[in-house]
Amino acid sequence: AQSVTQLDSHVSVSEGTPVLLRCNYSSSYSPSLFWYVQHPNKGLQLLLKYTSAATLVKGINGFEAEFKKSETSFHLTKPSAHMSDAAEYFCVVTRNQAGTALIFGKGTTLSVSS
Amino acid sequence: KAGVTQTPRYLIKTRGQQVTLSCSPISGHRSVSWYQQTPGQGLQFLFEYFSETQRNKGNFPGRFSGRQFSNSRSEMNVSTLELGDSALYLCASRVASGTQETQYFGPGTRLLVL
Repeated sequence: AQSVTQLDSHVSVSEGTPVLLRCNYSSSYSPSLFWYVQHPNKGLQLLLKYTSAATLVKGINGFEAEFKKSETSFHLTKPSAHMSDAAEYFCVVTRNQAGTALIFGKGTTLSVSS
Repeated sequence: KAGVTQTPRYLIKTRGQQVTLSCSPISGHRSVSWYQQTPGQGLQFLFEYFSETQRNKGNFPGRFSGRQFSNSRSEMNVSTLELGDSALYLCASRVASGTQETQYFGPGTRLLVL
């Protein structure tokens, strides 16, 4: 069965320092993986998507993620945090190869201090 | 191109009532999925509609139902509301079902059951 585990429920960083949000996945087939971000009282916005092309995926707002099959990981990184990055981040895997449903991790809340 | 729109944005109901939520997908998108977001359970898949047919269903009771119209707009209905149905209901659209296409989310409808 497909699943994702976000290893940290809360991450705090200072503005200008690197961001690392960790995600491990379990999949019985070659998965599609996503990172979505949700700002307070807003819907979900797609940050980036992995679909078996390049293992290093670049997304919006300077975020990127690396797919590591040997470690079953898909960690999200950003070289330098900005105050506007404060939000909740979700690591997501498709439930089946048809991509019918998304399975969400529990989310990681990112706090950015000045 | 306009994004996914959901109406109403906020709703207050009492136990035992029923509620209907509406979702208009991005123009050209024919697949609509619904998700429930609660603090305790996180984001969970409810169901997906494509070409007016339910393609997949999550693990929710029969009180939760939906439909899709010929213009791809979708409605979700919850009957005999319970306190635990209080949640943010998110709608997502994509071009087609049965693919790994990205799902794009609306801002959600926040339902409060008293």
